[in-house]
Amino acid sequence: DAGITQSPRHKVTETGTPVTLRCHQTENHRYMYWYRQDPGHGLRLIHYSYGVKDTDKGEVSDGYSVSRSKTEDFLLTLESATSSQTSVYFCAISLGLAGGPDTGELFFGEGSRLTVL
Amino acid sequence: KNEVEQSPQNLTAQEGEFITINCSYSVGISALHWLQQHPGGGIVSLFMLSSGKKKHGRLIATINIQEKHSSLHITASHPRDSAVYICAALRGGSNYKLTFGKGTLLTVNP
Repeated sequence: DAGITQSPRHKVTETGTPVTLRCHQTENHRYMYWYRQDPGHGLRLIHYSYGVKDTDKGEVSDGYSVSRSKTEDFLLTLESATSSQTSVYFCAISLGLAGGPDTGELFFGEGSRLTVL
Repeated sequence: KNEVEQSPQNLTAQEGEFITINCSYSVGISALHWLQQHPGGGIVSLFMLSSGKKKHGRLIATINIQEKHSSLHITASHPRDSAVYICAALRGGSNYKLTFGKGTLLTVNP
C-alpha cells in the first residue's frame, strides 16, 4: 500500500471555526490533490499541488486554501468553516505521467469526515 | 452534460454473473482511471490505461480512444465485488487534471 495518511480522520466543528486537514505521504510523489466527496456529486477537486509551494485551484476551491512547504505534506485549510463544507475529504497522490504510462497511478488516503454544525 | 458519464448508475447482479460498467467521456484524455470504493471505505485504484486492455484477476478494463469510451468488466462476480466503481479521465496535456464520473453502485447478491 502506498504510504499516505490523512489526519484527522473524523472531526466535528462549529460554523465559523478554522479547520486544517493534513495529508502526509512517504512516497515522494510529485502530485498531491484534495477532493471532497458528496452524495450526488462524486469526487470534486478542491486544490492540487504539482510541487513544493506549487499549488493551484480546482473546481470547488472557494472557502479553502492549501499549503505545501514540504514534498510529503499537503495541508487543506478551511478558514471559517460553513455547514456546506460538511463532507468527506480525500487526499490523493500521483507520480504523474512524466515517468511513463504506468507511473500515473493514483493513491488515495482513507478520507477525513468533517461535520460542521 | 458531464464530461464523464457512467452507466448504469446502479447495477444489481447475482453471484457468478458477468458485469459490465461503461464510461464515456467528451474531452481529450491522456489516460483513464478505474477506481473502487467499498461502502464507508477508502478509494482504491484498479486500473490506469491509455489504450487497449488491462487485466487483473477477474477484472478487465478496456478503452477505445477513438470512440471515447471505456468499459470495466468483472467475470464470475462475487458479493465482495459489491462497491462503487468510478471512472476518472485525465485531461489531455495535463498531468493532474482529473474529471470523475459519479460512480456506479454495484451490488452482487449471493
